[in-house]
Amino acid sequence: DIQMTQSPSSLSASVGDRVTITCRASQSITNYLNWYQQKPGKAPNLLIYAASSLLGGVPSRFSAFGSGTDFTLTIDSLQPDDFATYYCQQTYSPPWTFGLGTRVEI
Amino acid sequence: QEQLQQSGPGLVKPLQTLSLTCTVSGGSINSNEYYWTWIRQHPEKGLEWIGYIYYSGSTYYNPSLRSRVAMSLDRSKSQFSLKLASLTAADTAVYFCARAGDHSYFGVDVWGQGTTVTVSS
Repeated sequence: DIQMTQSPSSLSASVGDRVTITCRASQSITNYLNWYQQKPGKAPNLLIYAASSLLGGVPSRFSAFGSGTDFTLTIDSLQPDDFATYYCQQTYSPPWTFGLGTRVEI
Repeated sequence: QEQLQQSGPGLVKPLQTLSLTCTVSGGSINSNEYYWTWIRQHPEKGLEWIGYIYYSGSTYYNPSLRSRVAMSLDRSKSQFSLKLASLTAADTAVYFCARAGDHSYFGVDVWGQGTTVTVSS
């Protein structure tokens, strides 16, 4: 199985901050990397697929980059609605594994 | 817009088999674009991918669960189902049905509401 390592596991930030989350794959996954946002008690929401493509309706303050094994998710000017847990997922090779998540707290 | 509606029990006894069903509305379960997927989340933990069933009926199960998992498709009812056998307390989790697609590099863009499953006698 491909292992996905996210860092940090949690971070504290303020409204207006720029936040970056990192995801590393145990082997190359080209650009088969997705990012999700999850709020307590809810299903995750897909934000970004193919490493850098924003899903329709996702605010432009979200951006992502990477290929191969190293990927980043950046949130520019953090908004109150952005406080949540973020997961990366590889879909290069099944089982389509997730990272353990990054909790973004106030 | 496609929606997924889950049904199934919230409490199951140890060693029994969990059966969950997901009904697809507003779209086609027969599309060759989609992989009908099950994902679970243990309490206060991350996401675990259980597997998928393709429109053709082909499946892929997570090797960690493969010996206990079965997925099926009922095209006449636009439903897909999960069976997980020989349950233990470690299977207590929120179970999600979901749609992954070619268009999103197999990212899951449609989710069911989740079913909280507790394994307890």
